[in-house]
Amino acid sequence: KQEVTQIPAALSVPEGENLVLNCSFTDSAIYNLQWFRQDPGKGLTSLLLIQSSQREQTSGRLNASLDKSSGRSTLYIAASQPGDSATYLCAVRPTRTSGSRLTFGEGTQLTVNP
Amino acid sequence: GAGVSQSPRYKVAKRGQDVALRCDPISGHVSLFWYQQALGQGPEFLTYFQNEAQLDKSGLPSDRFFAERPEGSVSTLKIQRTQQEDSAVYLCASSLVRWPGTTQINYGYTFGSGTRLTVV
Repeated sequence: KQEVTQIPAALSVPEGENLVLNCSFTDSAIYNLQWFRQDPGKGLTSLLLIQSSQREQTSGRLNASLDKSSGRSTLYIAASQPGDSATYLCAVRPTRTSGSRLTFGEGTQLTVNP
Repeated sequence: GAGVSQSPRYKVAKRGQDVALRCDPISGHVSLFWYQQALGQGPEFLTYFQNEAQLDKSGLPSDRFFAERPEGSVSTLKIQRTQQEDSAVYLCASSLVRWPGTTQINYGYTFGSGTRLTVV
């Protein structure tokens, strides 16, 4: 059974810092990995999608990397801003199961202090 | 529509009451998913539709949970005889791609804002 772990569970940083969020998964047979952002009381907003054949994806100040063989992904946020405060979730989509379900980590709650 | 729409946004139900949650996926999206998210947790898979066919319902926690998508677009998640442990945010997501390994480009998942269900 696929398990996804995110470290740290919570992170508080001053504005302007660069930071890294970590995601690990136990089964490397994935089709893709997706990073989401969730604001309090809201749904999920997709940030970056990395196909299994890719090593990284970039969007603005965000960069996500994928090392499928070691079961790891990182989300790098450059020059953090208070508006980046949210919960960040990673999710993997498997290749082996017949469905297309995503398996999520429990998230990293990020607070960027002004 | 431009995004995945869910209604109602909030629902308070008395224990034992039946509820119905609605999801309008992005037009043309083949796949539709329901997830349950408890407070402080990541979303957990409930069920998956490809068009009108429910291909995976292994995540439904009990037979009180029922989902349908009769015309392959709008979906309804119904919970009968609600209990306090059903309190959660119910998220709907849609996706263009059917299966891994097809020739279609994988666009990933688009989630709705969710329905927050509170059972009192």
